[in-house]
Amino acid sequence: QKEVEQNSGPLSVPEGAIASLNCTYSDRGSQSFFWYRQYSGKSPELIMSIYSNGDKEDGRFTAQLNKASQYVSLLIRDSQPSDSATYLCAVGSTGNQFYFGTGTSLTVIP
Amino acid sequence: GAVVSQHPSWVICKSGTSVKIECRSLDFQATTMFWYRQFPKQSLMLMATSNEGSKATYEQGVEKDKFLINHASLTLSTLTVTSAHPEDSSFYICSARVLQVYGYTFGSGTRLTVV
Repeated sequence: QKEVEQNSGPLSVPEGAIASLNCTYSDRGSQSFFWYRQYSGKSPELIMSIYSNGDKEDGRFTAQLNKASQYVSLLIRDSQPSDSATYLCAVGSTGNQFYFGTGTSLTVIP
Repeated sequence: GAVVSQHPSWVICKSGTSVKIECRSLDFQATTMFWYRQFPKQSLMLMATSNEGSKATYEQGVEKDKFLINHASLTLSTLTVTSAHPEDSSFYICSARVLQVYGYTFGSGTRLTVV
């Protein structure tokens, strides 16, 4: 499978802080990038999608994409305990399939 | 929004039996459905891609005779785990690509336990 790499964590941040999640990918032809949140025992849910280089903001979430560096990140501002979950990076490959990273476990400490 | 309904949500079966998992797209047509497996504390691993009206494409290392996929209509794809063994116990999730901007929409997942 195409490689999508994330730091497994766990990442712990205090409530109200900024959480930074990173992801790198190997397929240079990838055109679509997604961040999903997954609570334990549940299916992933889409948080953000990004297709162009630069930043994309949606509420407390900001996705950043740098195709030259094959890097995509997710920033969570004003982190809340309810943000505690595993965050999965997904990359749309040139083969029209999507591959997921191993996920980063985030814990927001009240 | 686009919803994929997956059943059952959990199942316990005896070793050697077969289990069928269904995924239905409720308000859209899913020409392509993806099947993933997730072991505890691991990521989603793509098992196969099912296309309506044609044979599924399996990822390397996934036994197509063990994991039978049928996608006979635009709204239904099924995964049958045949002759299940304890090592097949896992969380199975289906998903469909709705529109490029939406990425994937996921079913709720099926937790399979083989005893």
